[in-house]
Amino acid sequence: GAGVSQSPSNKVTEKGKDVELRCDPISGHTALYWYRQRLGQGLEFLIYFQGNSAPDKSGLPSDRFSAERTGESVSTLTIQRTQQEDSAVYLCASSFPGLAGYEQYFGPGTRLTVT
Amino acid sequence: AQRVTQPEKLLSVFKGAPVELKCNYSYSGSPELFWYVQYSRQRLQLLLRHISRESIKGFTADLNKGETSFHLKKPFAQEEDSAMYYCALLGTDKLIFGTGTRLQVFP
Repeated sequence: GAGVSQSPSNKVTEKGKDVELRCDPISGHTALYWYRQRLGQGLEFLIYFQGNSAPDKSGLPSDRFSAERTGESVSTLTIQRTQQEDSAVYLCASSFPGLAGYEQYFGPGTRLTVT
Repeated sequence: AQRVTQPEKLLSVFKGAPVELKCNYSYSGSPELFWYVQYSRQRLQLLLRHISRESIKGFTADLNKGETSFHLKKPFAQEEDSAMYYCALLGTDKLIFGTGTRLQVFP
């Protein structure tokens, strides 16, 4: 089977516009994560979905950021009124919590550039 | 608080030199720790986990509960080891990543 996929791979948008980033996790993976990776920086946790539980939104940097997940499949990360500091690579990962010890499988990322 | 600290943003060594990437954690309980790696233009991927006590690509990591550390080591670095390395802790319900260390291995 395919790994985690993300679309688009690159997105250039003007400051103030809204963007939607998509993540398709590995089939059967109940957990899904979004991270942000700024140029030259480490991995910044944004939000975590686990099954039907309420998502952990503790990493979202502002109310301009939101995410949804349909069941245990696709997730979209929405950034409203984008700012230049939102420019980064947005990574999605999925995992199946269990004996594997929560190994996360990462997608290739979406590179967002806000001009 | 559950936290992972990687004190070095950048570590530069010459080929053949020993490497140690530092990782310290804060966790009450028995921790499960991992190292993830991201090579240039590749996806972030699991390198090793402490419960497996494995050596991957010559790298090992030993959990030291007394020092709350999980440093990643390799006796002889190779150029292909150049990458971004993240230490991660399995928290209450999710993985907690450190901020990462970029390893540069010069020829």
